[in-house]
Amino acid sequence: NAGVTQTPKFQVLKTGQSMTLQCAQDMNHNSMYWYRQDPGMGLRLIYYSASEGTTDKGEVPNGYNVSRLNKREFSLRLESAAPSQTSVYFCASSEPNDRNEQFFGPGTRLTVL
Amino acid sequence: QKEVEQDPGPLSVPEGAIVSLNCTYSNSAFQYFMWYRQYSRKGPELLMYTYSSGNKEDGRFTAQVDKSSKYISLFIRDSQPSDSATYLCAMSGGNAGNMLTFGGGTRLMVKP
Repeated sequence: NAGVTQTPKFQVLKTGQSMTLQCAQDMNHNSMYWYRQDPGMGLRLIYYSASEGTTDKGEVPNGYNVSRLNKREFSLRLESAAPSQTSVYFCASSEPNDRNEQFFGPGTRLTVL
Repeated sequence: QKEVEQDPGPLSVPEGAIVSLNCTYSNSAFQYFMWYRQYSRKGPELLMYTYSSGNKEDGRFTAQVDKSSKYISLFIRDSQPSDSATYLCAMSGGNAGNMLTFGGGTRLMVKP
């Protein structure tokens, strides 16, 4: 089992460009998440999908859109990238129980110039 | 004030030392407490979780929760250079819902 996979691993964009970060999980989890991690800020939730067909905003959704393509895949799109979106992006998945033990992917390092 | 506070470190200790990592939180509704370990340029991985108050031990690691003080700890005995990583606490549960709230992480360096 690969767990949670993310593509690409690295990306450099110019301000105003768009891109989509891809995430897939093979653990048959219902819930999936997108976080960003910045120095000293910990992990901040951008969007999540509690189950296939649903998406909800997290703590920092502005400038992002998501698509839950199917149970396995959850993508994050930056329509018009800004330097403030320079960050490391992590996808995670879990079963939606009280404990909510989340399994993370390896991350995408994004730089916006 | 952040909902979960964690000293960012870095914390540098010699190999074999006992390490204490801590988080404080403000939301008394949290019931599940987790510790994630994150190696450099990798995703976080779940190390331990504890439900409500008390201790939980797993090998060299002990997680401790004191809900009355809103304080959680992770102890690492006989620390090894391979323990060098960033440790993130996370919490969920109760009327706080099942979304995880993370601390900012503490960077630990264990020197041989």
